[in-house]
Amino acid sequence: SQTIHQWPATLVQPVGSPLSLECTVEGTSNPNLYWYRQAAGRGLQLLFYSVGIGQISSEVPQNLSASRPQDRQFILSSKKLLLSDSGFYLCAWKRSVNEQYFGPGTRLTVT
Amino acid sequence: QKEVEQDPGPLSVPEGAIVSLNCTYSNSAFQYFMWYRQYSRKGPELLMYTYSSGNKEDGRFTAQVDKSSKYISLFIRDSQPSDSATYLCAMSGNFNKFYFGSGTKLNVKP
Repeated sequence: SQTIHQWPATLVQPVGSPLSLECTVEGTSNPNLYWYRQAAGRGLQLLFYSVGIGQISSEVPQNLSASRPQDRQFILSSKKLLLSDSGFYLCAWKRSVNEQYFGPGTRLTVT
Repeated sequence: QKEVEQDPGPLSVPEGAIVSLNCTYSNSAFQYFMWYRQYSRKGPELLMYTYSSGNKEDGRFTAQVDKSSKYISLFIRDSQPSDSATYLCAMSGNFNKFYFGSGTKLNVKP
């Protein structure tokens, strides 16, 4: 069966510090991978998605970036965090056109 | 106009009630429809997915799609306190992105 991992689970970072969140998927190959952000009480905002190694599509953010160095690894980064970057970051993979599965999430607080 | 609209609630019902959660959408290219349940501080969990108009049942849950009205519903029968969560609808087409509603918070009171 497929499993998706995210770490760290929680993170508290000061404004202006760098960020690196990691997501890995087990049990599948060449998955479509996604990064979402969920602000408190809000819906899911798609940040990036990737259909393969080195292939990244950016949806919204200015100070966030994503990379896919390996088939089942997806990384979300920032060089300098803003207060508005606080939120719940979710990685997901697409199993089929109507199945997308989420990881446990990383709760980021920027202080 | 958002592509997917969902009433944010909160919706509060007594245990045993039938719950109806709904979403509307505007993009006729959407063909695939999903419902997720999200407990507090957890990732969303895929509950049900469906493709065509009509009903799909899984235990106490029934997903209904009306493509002509661009309207989808999730019904929960005999609701339990453990059903208390935020429910998100999602949809996609023959493309890579999924579009989510903002979620409806449900509270089932014992």
